[in-house]
Amino acid sequence: AQSVTQLDSHVSVSEGTPVLLRCNYSSSYSPSLFWYVQHPNKGLQLLLKYTSAATLVKGINGFEAEFKKSETSFHLTKPSAHMSDAAEYFCVVRSYNTDKLIFGTGTRLQVFP
Amino acid sequence: DTAVSQTPKYLVTQMGNDKSIKCEQNLGHDTMYWYKQDSKKFLKIMFSYNNKELIINETVPNRFSPKSPDKAHLNLHINSLELGDSAVYFCASSQAGREGQPQHFGDGTRLSIL
Repeated sequence: AQSVTQLDSHVSVSEGTPVLLRCNYSSSYSPSLFWYVQHPNKGLQLLLKYTSAATLVKGINGFEAEFKKSETSFHLTKPSAHMSDAAEYFCVVRSYNTDKLIFGTGTRLQVFP
Repeated sequence: DTAVSQTPKYLVTQMGNDKSIKCEQNLGHDTMYWYKQDSKKFLKIMFSYNNKELIINETVPNRFSPKSPDKAHLNLHINSLELGDSAVYFCASSQAGREGQPQHFGDGTRLSIL
């Protein structure tokens, strides 16, 4: 069975400092992995996706993630946090034999001035 | 030009009532989904339809009945609403068969049962 584990439920950073949101995955197959962001009272927006091409994936708003098979990780990073980055972030794996998405429990990112 | 739109955005109703949530996508996708997000923000799939055919049904009570009149619409009808149904319900769509094709989500319907 496939799954993702988000290692931190809350992350707090100061504006202008780097962001690291951690995600480990479990999959018997080469996974399709995604990061989604959810702002308060909004839907989910795709930040980036990994589909067995380049291991370093660039997304929107300056975010990127690196797929590391040896560590079964897909951590999300951003060099410099902005106040508007404050939101809930979900690491997601697509089920191999269906189209369903399996969500992590989410990481709430707070950004302080 | 909204890609995936859900109505209503907010739904407040009494226990025991029957209600429907509508979803429409204009992306030309052939697959649509319903997800439930609980009070702890955990998201779990409920149903998926591909070209009007039910593909995924994740052990959801049969009080929940999805209906897909065409591949651009997937509605969710809920009978005899219970307190535990209070949640945010998200509709999503994607094009099946393409590796890594992401799902596009609506803004959610916030259902509160009194």
